[in-house]
Amino acid sequence: GAGVSQSPRYKVAKRGQDVALRCDPISGHVSLFWYQQALGQGPEFLTYFQNEAQLDKSGLPSDRFFAERPEGSVSTLKIQRTQQEDSAVYLCASSLEVLNTEAFFGQGTRLTVV
Amino acid sequence: AQKITQTQPGMFVQEKEAVTLDCTYDTSDPSYGLFWYKQPSSGEMIFLIYQGSYDQQNATEGRYSLNFQKARKSANLVISASQLGDSAMYFCAIRAGRDDKIIFGKGTRLHILP
Repeated sequence: GAGVSQSPRYKVAKRGQDVALRCDPISGHVSLFWYQQALGQGPEFLTYFQNEAQLDKSGLPSDRFFAERPEGSVSTLKIQRTQQEDSAVYLCASSLEVLNTEAFFGQGTRLTVV
Repeated sequence: AQKITQTQPGMFVQEKEAVTLDCTYDTSDPSYGLFWYKQPSSGEMIFLIYQGSYDQQNATEGRYSLNFQKARKSANLVISASQLGDSAMYFCAIRAGRDDKIIFGKGTRLHILP
């Protein structure tokens, strides 16, 4: 596909359940970003990859959150023992490794923890 | 660390009027890029315009222009001749260097009135 693809689009998880969110970036995009967006708020940075290297994970809210991009393409954001406050839209974006180019976003995964 | 401040939570503007959305930023890096995104109620993030820190001229893209005042660390978005379809959330963002993450502001919700 031509754009960033995220799956699933919607996920309902019971509190305490583990979830895995997938992001397929645009082919050739070196940079990959994960954001968490609460309703009516701006995207909050979670973590950032350049190829397979996780350069910044300062935004991950707790050690229950883990992200990987083992082959420098597809990335997975994993949340262990989900809690209600994890309910949000999780956005993935990718870009070229060039400053003056925008990041392209996926449609997001809406996670609801019940 | 980079920071974006958007001080207008919401704005109401009459159709066909011009509108300015405020954005101030903070970074210690001399090389950075500033972005504006639009997020309609459908949730997709749409890139609007980019301004580089070394660009001599203000960026323009159709009805969108960026009023870049470097000394004041200001990057306001100007939308000319507003349309009903401009109603959405608008986010300002900064990327300080190609090896860095993109940080977003909290956004401004723009309502265009018929």
